[in-house]
Amino acid sequence: GAGVSQSPSNKVTEKGKDVELRCDPISGHTALYWYRQSLGQGLEFLIYFQGNSAPDKSGLPSDRFSAERTGGSVSTLTIQRTQQEDSAVYLCASSSTSGRNTQYFGPGTRLTVL
Amino acid sequence: DQQVKQNSPSLSVQEGRISILNCDYTNSMFDYFLWYKKYPAEGPTFLISISSIKDKNEDGRFTVFLNKSAKHLSLHIVPSQPGDSAVYFCAAFTGTASKLTFGTGTRLQVTL
Repeated sequence: GAGVSQSPSNKVTEKGKDVELRCDPISGHTALYWYRQSLGQGLEFLIYFQGNSAPDKSGLPSDRFSAERTGGSVSTLTIQRTQQEDSAVYLCASSSTSGRNTQYFGPGTRLTVL
Repeated sequence: DQQVKQNSPSLSVQEGRISILNCDYTNSMFDYFLWYKKYPAEGPTFLISISSIKDKNEDGRFTVFLNKSAKHLSLHIVPSQPGDSAVYFCAAFTGTASKLTFGTGTRLQVTL
């Protein structure tokens, strides 16, 4: 299919280790978003990329979190020195442009920090 | 600070009846609202949206109502079907911001 894909689907790591989560947006979509959903919570915005503009990082919870988007397509979310409170489902979405355009979500990566 | 609130974590409705899912918000700058539906192990999928200049938007069995003065919106599903069983998220855009602010979701179960 041509939807948003994410890998891995599940990741279990030990506290203190670094993890990388990958997102492949829908081809041609210029906007890419990362959200996370902790247990019992709604989706929390993390970071947003639009074309070649500087990303909106206002939702990143700490400096242990970073993300990049290479070539305007694939994005990687990196969490350094993971903590147990980082355990959540990390969701990526893309849209054809920014603004009020429908965001299409991937299936998510479930991260468990032991 | 939860700016979008879905106070009912779960709802059970009989097949064929109406399902009403509610959402309240506190930020008066929100001007565009969406409902997403999420099945287990899948990402949320867009269902229906409404601009703040309208008070109703209908798409098939789904209707969203917006009451700006009460900062309240609701999603009506009629008739409800077993395949509608999922978690429903209310979300909102602010002005020119592209990020969505989501509620905590309501789990709908449609029973036979």
